[in-house]
Amino acid sequence: KAGVTQTPRYLIKTRGQQVTLSCSPISGHRSVSWYQQTPGQGLQFLFEYFSETQRNKGNFPGRFSGRQFSNSRSEMNVSTLELGDSALYLCASSLGNIFTDTQYFGPGTRLTVL
Amino acid sequence: TQLLEQSPQFLSIQEGENLTVYCNSSSVFSSLQWYRQEPGEGPVLLVTVVTGGEVKKLKRLTFQFGDARKDSSLHITAAQPGDTGLYLCAGEYRGSNYKLTFGKGTLLTVNP
Repeated sequence: KAGVTQTPRYLIKTRGQQVTLSCSPISGHRSVSWYQQTPGQGLQFLFEYFSETQRNKGNFPGRFSGRQFSNSRSEMNVSTLELGDSALYLCASSLGNIFTDTQYFGPGTRLTVL
Repeated sequence: TQLLEQSPQFLSIQEGENLTVYCNSSSVFSSLQWYRQEPGEGPVLLVTVVTGGEVKKLKRLTFQFGDARKDSSLHITAAQPGDTGLYLCAGEYRGSNYKLTFGKGTLLTVNP
């Protein structure tokens, strides 16, 4: 069974630009969560999508948005990039409940903002 | 804001030694998860603890959830180089913002 895949694996952008990251969950998984990981703040929850609807949301500004498609694939968008947005962005998929069902993480997208 | 404090932040030990890492919070969590993350990879779930006082064992790893469900510990017996990685705890907090809160992790290095 294929794992969670994220594309691209590495990305370099400049301040003010926008970026879109993609996540393909494990087949049959309907929940996709996104996280930001930095050395200073650790791993922080961005949002979770289930059946194309945002179900839970962390404490990030509106520049961070996402969506989920009918095949459960998800994209995350960050607009007006800031230097502080440099981080490893991880997505995780689960059957449906991120608290009771095992979350499987992808390898992440390393975003560098110059 | 629900915070999970993990300690120590860094730990470097020799193969065969025992170690314990801690995860503490001022909030009560409904459940707590432990993950291990290796370089270039996403975190992998090791265990979920739900009941206060619960102890779970996974080979040489022993996980405990505090009675008050505000803290947890991970004990590794006879550590091996393959145990090297970032150990993260994550708590489920059911408040107005239903989310999973992660600690910053303990970076463990086991030297051969």
